[in-house]
Amino acid sequence: AIQLTQSPSSLSASVGDRVTITCRASQGISSALAWYQQKPGKAPKLLIYDASSLESGVPSRFSGSGSGTDFTLTISSLQPEDFATYYCQQFNSYPLLTFGGGTKVEIK
Amino acid sequence: EVQLVESGGGLVQPGRSLRLSCTASGFTFGDYAMSWFRQAPGKGLEWVGFIRSKAYGGTTEYAASVKGRFTISRDDSKSIAYLQMNSLKTEDTAVYYCTRDGGILRDWGQGTLVTVSS
Repeated sequence: AIQLTQSPSSLSASVGDRVTITCRASQGISSALAWYQQKPGKAPKLLIYDASSLESGVPSRFSGSGSGTDFTLTISSLQPEDFATYYCQQFNSYPLLTFGGGTKVEIK
Repeated sequence: EVQLVESGGGLVQPGRSLRLSCTASGFTFGDYAMSWFRQAPGKGLEWVGFIRSKAYGGTTEYAASVKGRFTISRDDSKSIAYLQMNSLKTEDTAVYYCTRDGGILRDWGQGTLVTVSS
């Protein structure tokens, strides 16, 4: 099974900071990667798909990049509502999906 | 608007069974595959399984951790997907989510909590 390794597992940042989260796949997955945001007690919300495509309605401060095995989610200017946990997910082996371990973004 | 509502969660003893339902609205249910995921308390997301639409045979796939114990089915006439969970273990304790389709996950239910404990 394809493994996804996210880093860091947590980070502390201030409003206005640029934040970068990385996701590494155990084998090449082309651009079959999505990013989700999850807040406590809520279902995940899709942010980015196909590695770099912004989901409709998601603020443009979110961006994704990468292909193959290395991927990045960037928040260009962190907002108060962005404090949450972020997950990467591969769908190259659809329907067998896997997620990264998550990155918790906390307030500094 | 796509809506997915999970139900059927609760407290169950180890070794017992439970059936979850995912009631869908806002789209032609029979045209879509459906997937189940779970999230143990304080942990990450885990894919549980998947059922194809009838047009693709209605066949299923499962994670290794639940294969042989869990069964996914669907009733297209009622727009419901089911997750039958047998021989439950304490490690099956989680919030269970259903989603429409199985690749890029745009639509999620609110989740239903399953607690396996004696």
